[in-house]
Amino acid sequence: SYELTQPPSVSVSPGQTASITCSGDKLGDKYTSWYQQKPGQSPVLVIYLDSKRPSGIPERFSGSNSGNTATLTISGTQAMDEADYYCQAWDSSTAYVFGTGTKVTVL
Amino acid sequence: QVQLQESGPGLVKPSETLSLTCTVSGGSVNSGSYFWSWIRQPPGKGLEWIGHIYYSGSTNYNPSLKSRVTISVDTSKNQFSLKLSSVTAADTAVYYCARLCGSGTEGDNWFDPWGQGTLVTVSS
Repeated sequence: SYELTQPPSVSVSPGQTASITCSGDKLGDKYTSWYQQKPGQSPVLVIYLDSKRPSGIPERFSGSNSGNTATLTISGTQAMDEADYYCQAWDSSTAYVFGTGTKVTVL
Repeated sequence: QVQLQESGPGLVKPSETLSLTCTVSGGSVNSGSYFWSWIRQPPGKGLEWIGHIYYSGSTNYNPSLKSRVTISVDTSKNQFSLKLSSVTAADTAVYYCARLCGSGTEGDNWFDPWGQGTLVTVSS
């Protein structure tokens, strides 16, 4: 089965850049989406098709995908960005699969 | 804008069938542009895709759950539903419904928006 691996946690200072990685076999050949989930809330789409931002998502959120790794980058991180982040992709063996999740802490 | 709302029992006994409904407002499940999905999240854990349905009734299920899952759609009520049979404590989770957007080709789709989720506990 296909698996997506993320670091359990990432810490960042306010105003700095946070990078969250998502690793999977030949992930760069697939499209990746990213979701933000704050405590007690449902996930919210922040990036789709590797690098597209839905309307209403701040420009500080960006994405890239190449090789075996997709990356979500939060530039100028704010306290409100503290949340869990999940990547997601599709594979013919597993269909829709989510990453293990990364907790972003803004110190 | 489209909104989704899950409803159903919050407590199910082991070996019984979990049944949930998702009501769609601000949009139509009859739209040929989307699939309608169920996703779950055990307490303190990650997300797991359960399956999805097209307005025509065509379905796709997670292989690990396929033998126990049935997703159906009721276009007259603008709802779609989930049934998960023979539940155990491992099925305790927050269950979300979500719209699957994209070109319709598997692989270039994404989930947006999501419902608020409903916690289902499996316990006697």
